[in-house]
Amino acid sequence: EADIYQTPRYLVIGTGKKITLECSQTMGHDKMYWYQQDPGMELHLIHYSYGVNSTEKGDLSSESTVSRIRTEHFPLTLESARPSHTSQYLCASSRTGFGTGELFFGEGSRLTVL
Amino acid sequence: AQSVSQHNHHVILSEAASLELGCNYSYGGTVNLFWYVQYPGQHLQLLLKYFSGDPLVKGIKGFEAEFIKSKFSFNLRKPSVQWSDTAEYFCAVNPSGGYQKVTFGIGTKLQVIP
Repeated sequence: EADIYQTPRYLVIGTGKKITLECSQTMGHDKMYWYQQDPGMELHLIHYSYGVNSTEKGDLSSESTVSRIRTEHFPLTLESARPSHTSQYLCASSRTGFGTGELFFGEGSRLTVL
Repeated sequence: AQSVSQHNHHVILSEAASLELGCNYSYGGTVNLFWYVQYPGQHLQLLLKYFSGDPLVKGIKGFEAEFIKSKFSFNLRKPSVQWSDTAEYFCAVNPSGGYQKVTFGIGTKLQVIP
């Protein structure tokens, strides 16, 4: 059972709206990640965080932004949603040290921008 | 940067058939290797992992994978699949040591027919 929670699970929104996808974990993990998953494509890392006040962009360029003010919370924001942002967004976390790389995933937020 | 290649994108098997899903990675150094599984409507979860030691690793639900360093491969196997194994399977790799990002393959959709 996952200890990492994402809301909303599904969101349909119009172009130009601001949206925030929430992600929280109760495992005390330092590292958190956002992946983008499209059908038939590999998961692409779009943001990651080593810890509080640390955020980095991932391999895939994204117009979204993230923040890490608390260890357990890693929200993703799109200031002005566009149809090209339609995708599934997966949040994940991992421990530091040995075990780094073993990711714990949330159930995902499926975003549709009309 | 590392990359992961999964050869089979969609596999259909009858119950009790044997399964082997191919995974090859490219990276010149030491790596950690993973197979993740996503059952329909559920979150991605770890199936098994290899960090070091015995190259034959066993995971949950009767799955196993063999790391062949000379072939840069980490194939997933199961002697006899069940309908409940219907899912999408992702191979993943991250370089060992320090903070290293996890790279995923494109995924293989397995459909098991009763």
